Parts: sequence; structure tokens; C-alpha cells
Amino acid sequence: ETGVTQSPTHLIKTRGQQVTLRCSSQSGHNTVSWYQQALGQGPQFIFQYYREEENGRGNFPPRFSGLQFPNYSSELNVNALELDDSALYLCASSGIGDFSYEQYFGPGTRLTVT
Amino acid sequence: AQSVTQPDIHITVSEGASLELRCNYSYGATPYLFWYVQSPGQGLQLLLKYFSGDTLVQGIKGFEAEFKRSQSSFNLRKPSVHWSDAAEYFCAVGAAAAGNKLTFGGGTRVLVKP
Repeated sequence: ETGVTQSPTHLIKTRGQQVTLRCSSQSGHNTVSWYQQALGQGPQFIFQYYREEENGRGNFPPRFSGLQFPNYSSELNVNALELDDSALYLCASSGIGDFSYEQYFGPGTRLTVT
Repeated sequence: AQSVTQPDIHITVSEGASLELRCNYSYGATPYLFWYVQSPGQGLQLLLKYFSGDTLVQGIKGFEAEFKRSQSSFNLRKPSVHWSDAAEYFCAVGAAAAGNKLTFGGGTRVLVKP
């Protein structure tokens, strides 16, 4: 059973650019959630995807968008990058039914915006 | 809206001593509660969870947590700390009404003295 994987590990972008982060869910999981973790803070919920549709969104602007693919993998896209977008971006996958509340996290992508 | 407070930003314990990390939550219904651990530069690892039933739950690495509804608390404990327990610990509450998103506390950093 493979765990949650994310790519790339690290990324440096310039303000105003666009970035795409990728996530492969754990085997058997059909739901993917994305979180932003700024330095020294707890993770904040960005959005969740289930059956290729957005299923809940946190307090993030529309320039944060996502996709989920038929194999349950997911992408997080951020347009018009701002300095405050520098953070660790975490992807978490979860299963169905009673286990849908257990979220398993990947190692994260560290994004630096200069 | 749900919220989580971890009152202690840093805790220093001696190796072999006991550890207790505090977590208080705010949520209008029966909460789903979690403790995660994060080592430097890593993603989050699920230590334990509370969904319902027995209010004392056992997790991995010798950790346990007790749900106290009257105090809105879910404190994490370990009887004897090992040097490898040095990490950041996050308490989280899950909300079914919000797409199963997790709301995290700010975290408690644990330092272990030899």
C-alpha cells in the first residue's frame, strides 16, 4: 500500500507567477484535501475534492484552484503568486464511509515566493 | 464554526518524564478529534483519533488521549518520553458539515532534554 505522495518537494517562484502542485492519494482513497501551512502555524484548509468535484472550501481566494482526476490524484493551482503564499502545502487523502474522517498526509511541497 | 486552541506553544521535558499536551476545541456538535505529529520538514502523521465510544483512546508510539466533553478538551499524554518524541504536535477537529475539513490548532513544539 503506497502512501500519499506530492511533487515537487521544493519550488521557488517569483511574485505574479503561477504554480501547479501535484498529489497522488493513498491506495483505496477517493478524497483529497489541500492545506496551507505557513511557518510556525497550524495547517489551514484550502479545499477538498471528491469524485472530481470541489467538496468544501476554506477561506482562500479564487486564485487558488484545484482538480481531481479519475485516478483520484489531484492538482493545486495558484495564480498571481503573492509573497504571503510562501508556505508548506500539504495534501491529504481519505477513504469513504466511516473512514472518511481519517486524513493521511503527504510530505508536502515547500513553496517559496520571492 | 469550529476552532482549536493549544495553549502551550513550547514544552520542554526530560527524557523518561511524562508528557501532557493540552487541546481545547469549540464545535457545536459531537466532534471528530485528532492528534497529529510533525517532525521538522515532514508532513503530518496521525497519532490517534476520537470518533465516539470510549473517551480514552490509544494511539501509536505509546500516546493516549482523553476526550472530556464537559471541558471541551482532548489532551494528549505519554507516560515516558523518548528523545525521538521531539517534534511539533497538532490537535485538530473534523467537521462533517464542512466537507470533512480539519481545523487545526497552532501546535505545541516539544523539546526533549537528555
